[in-house]
Formats: sequence, structure tokens, C-alpha cells
Amino acid sequence: QSVLTQPPAVSGAPGQRVTISCTGGSSNIGAGFGVHWYQQTPGTAPKLLIYNTNNRPSGVPDRFSASKSDASVSLAITRLQADDEAIYFCQSYDTSLSDVVFGGGTTLTVL
Amino acid sequence: QVVQSGPEVRKPGTSVRVSCKVSESFMSVSSVNWVRQTPGQGLEWIGWIVGGSGNTNLARKFDKRLSLTRDLSTGTAYLELSSLSSEDTAIYYCATVPGGQLAVYFDSWGQGTLVTVSA
Repeated sequence: QSVLTQPPAVSGAPGQRVTISCTGGSSNIGAGFGVHWYQQTPGTAPKLLIYNTNNRPSGVPDRFSASKSDASVSLAITRLQADDEAIYFCQSYDTSLSDVVFGGGTTLTVL
Repeated sequence: QVVQSGPEVRKPGTSVRVSCKVSESFMSVSSVNWVRQTPGQGLEWIGWIVGGSGNTNLARKFDKRLSLTRDLSTGTAYLELSSLSSEDTAIYYCATVPGGQLAVYFDSWGQGTLVTVSA
């Protein structure tokens, strides 16, 4: 059972917009700790997509964005493309566990 | 670029050591973290080591059988996990937090090291 909760799967057609939620609690996201997102394709290491809730590393297209509300964060992907098919993980820090925590991951399927 | 050592096979009850070369020194990173992923499963944080000080923060689940060290002269970090069981079979990643960052997020990842524990 992951500390951060994500939906197991989402899907969308090319060109559409999808969102992936990441819900935590008062000891992690709700406590103000940054939320970070990673994209992982089969056989590869995760790749940083968003850091500190809504910042993109260089090279990540502006089709990827994130927003926060209370103890929940949402990753939005617009203008969906076939190569966006991947597993997306959120990550934060939990002060009561003193641990880095991850969501269980969400598999995005482009129809 | 972060480069890890190759795959390992161990018997239950033994130990494994995985290396992670970060750079010629640890100047450019705040910490080196270790994360594992079991086949078809999610990501699990194991612990971190601060490059400069060598201070560590270990996940409680592992702290009695986990050792994180680093060699300043080669810019290499090491994970050693003892009392292995089949549940430790996973891909082990090292990942770095950028220098100067207080938030813990991972901007560079190693290629992963598959550790298989089997009798």
C-alpha cells in the first residue's frame, strides 16, 4: 500500500488531455513538501518530468504540467502523443515516516 | 551520467554490494539515493547518503541490514544489503538530487542493477 495514492490506469486518444491524480496526507503533500513526477517506459529507468510541484526540467515539453490543491496534486498531459505511453509516478517526502515516498504508479495508454 | 555495476545473483541469507559512479566527485549533487523496483511493481525508496558529509538516512524497513557508503576519491556510492531473501529480488537504482537543492527529487538515474536472490 503506497503512501501516495494514484489511479492504476488512465487512457486517452491522441490529441486529447488526460490528468493523473496523486493524493497524500497531512504529513507529506499537505505539509507543504514538494511533489515530483517521473515517467518510466518499459526497460528504462524513471525520468524526471516535473519537480517541486510545477517545474519542468529542460527538455520536457510544456504539454506536461502539474497543479496542487490541499493534499492532492494532478499531472496534466495535453495534446497526447503515442510516445506518452508510459507509467507515471509521483513522489514526495513524508515527515512522520522520515522517508521519501512514491505513488503506486499510473499506466497511461494512448488509444 | 550515473553508471551502476552489473547484475548480481545471490543465495538467500547472503549479502550484495552495488556500486554507483556519480562523477569524479560529489560536488555536483546533494545526495545519492537508492530506489528499488520489483518486477512489474512500483518504486520503493531505500535510503540516501550525502556526498560531502557521508551522513545517511535509511528507510526504517531496511536499516538493520543496509549500509550506504561512498568513496570521495572516485565519486562512487555503494549499497550493501545483507540477509537477502527472495523478496529482495528487484532492480536497484541509484539516483541523484541536484546540488544545492533542499527538496528531495531525482534528476539523474543510473541504468539499474538487477539483483536476483534465488536458492
